Amino acid sequence: SQELEQSPQSLIVQEGKNLTINCTSSKTLYGLYWYKQKYGEGLIFLMMLQKGGEEKSHEKITAKLDEKKQQSSLHITASQPSHAGIYLCGATPGGGADGLTFGKGTHLIIQP
Amino acid sequence: GAGVSQSPRYKVAKRGQDVALRCDPISGHVSLFWYQQALGQGPEFLTYFQNEAQLDKSGLPSDRFFAERPEGSVSTLKIQRTQQEDSAVYLCASSFELAGGMETAQETQYFGPGTRLLVL
Repeated sequence: SQELEQSPQSLIVQEGKNLTINCTSSKTLYGLYWYKQKYGEGLIFLMMLQKGGEEKSHEKITAKLDEKKQQSSLHITASQPSHAGIYLCGATPGGGADGLTFGKGTHLIIQP
Repeated sequence: GAGVSQSPRYKVAKRGQDVALRCDPISGHVSLFWYQQALGQGPEFLTYFQNEAQLDKSGLPSDRFFAERPEGSVSTLKIQRTQQEDSAVYLCASSFELAGGMETAQETQYFGPGTRLLVL
């Protein structure tokens, strides 16, 4: 089965600084999804990547999928308190499986 | 438009009690998923419906877990004889379509706020 490794597990950054979160798979990623979760809430969809080398941006968040489609990164520029939360990467498991497989998440704290 | 809604938001159950968790997907969404999220972990797939048909229940941890979606809209996840290890957040997600079981990206899933279940 596919496993997704996220790094770092937690991250504390000063407001205004840039940061990067990584998601690595042992298998080819056919669809890679980034979600954000605040404590006690559901997952908020951020972006979906499909093609090798694909890059998408929304406001100050940029997500990339490498050419081999085994690693994705999420980059936040000029972080703000509103960016705090848990970032989860999810992927289509393939092989006939339904649903998404998720990493354990990266807990982001923004220090004022 | 309205997103995915779940009820109750919080549920405390005594060990051995039966519970029922409800999910209202986004109107018109064909596919509905249930996930279980333990503390500090990512969500884990439980089961999947396409309209009223339960096409995949491979993630259900035991026969105490049962899900239904009789009219292809609202879904209920039922847990019988709850155990302490059932304590988790139960998330529901829906999507417009699904390219399930294929080596391709799926339609984006939109999640509800979850039901936080605590079994004492």
